[in-house]
Amino acid sequence: ETGVTQSPTHLIKTRGQQVTLRCSSQSGHNTVSWYQQALGQGPQFIFQYYREEENGRGNFPPRFSGLQFPNYSSELNVNALELDDSALYLCASSLGDRAYEQFFGPGTRLTVL
Amino acid sequence: EDKVVQSPLSLVVHEGDTVTLNCSYEVTNFRSLLWYKQEKKAPTFLFMLTSSGIEKKSGRLSSILDKKELSSILNITATQTGDSAIYLCAVEAISAGNMLTFGGGTRLMVKP
Repeated sequence: ETGVTQSPTHLIKTRGQQVTLRCSSQSGHNTVSWYQQALGQGPQFIFQYYREEENGRGNFPPRFSGLQFPNYSSELNVNALELDDSALYLCASSLGDRAYEQFFGPGTRLTVL
Repeated sequence: EDKVVQSPLSLVVHEGDTVTLNCSYEVTNFRSLLWYKQEKKAPTFLFMLTSSGIEKKSGRLSSILDKKELSSILNITATQTGDSAIYLCAVEAISAGNMLTFGGGTRLMVKP
């Protein structure tokens, strides 16, 4: 257990819908990164939030957006869902922005029908 | 575009065997290479390697980076069934967010 929690655990949506995934970072951590892991593939970096500001973004379209709150928890929002958005969404929190300091949460499994 | 390739894709061994997992990369502004173990969902951190070339060890696991070949290996000796997992290699770039680029992973199955 890393102290990073995500909700919900599983989610089923249909194409075109919108979804919000949530992440509570480990106590004291001010940085949250989000990753998408499609079945059989490695995680892909979506973006990182540091002290409520976006601090780096991977190659994802604008319909993937996020927020970080004053308590450093975070949300990932995906609009206009597509079938290819079906994946495990992982968040990772850290005190600094170095990757080795990240602790991953258990993920949210999103299925888009 | 940054790229990380792992091999083999999957591996089946018996308890007690030694395995070597490979990772090669092409990354602009390389900072470090990380290995993770993913058993169910959350990847857990194993090692961080830098261009110093220093080998890292933890029990039966060890890893080293070859900065000339732009590659790394992860060795597991005397494998146990508990080593069964997906092993992920990721490269950290010097960039906003110190973005990680992951390889596709190696699925290791250790049979009793």
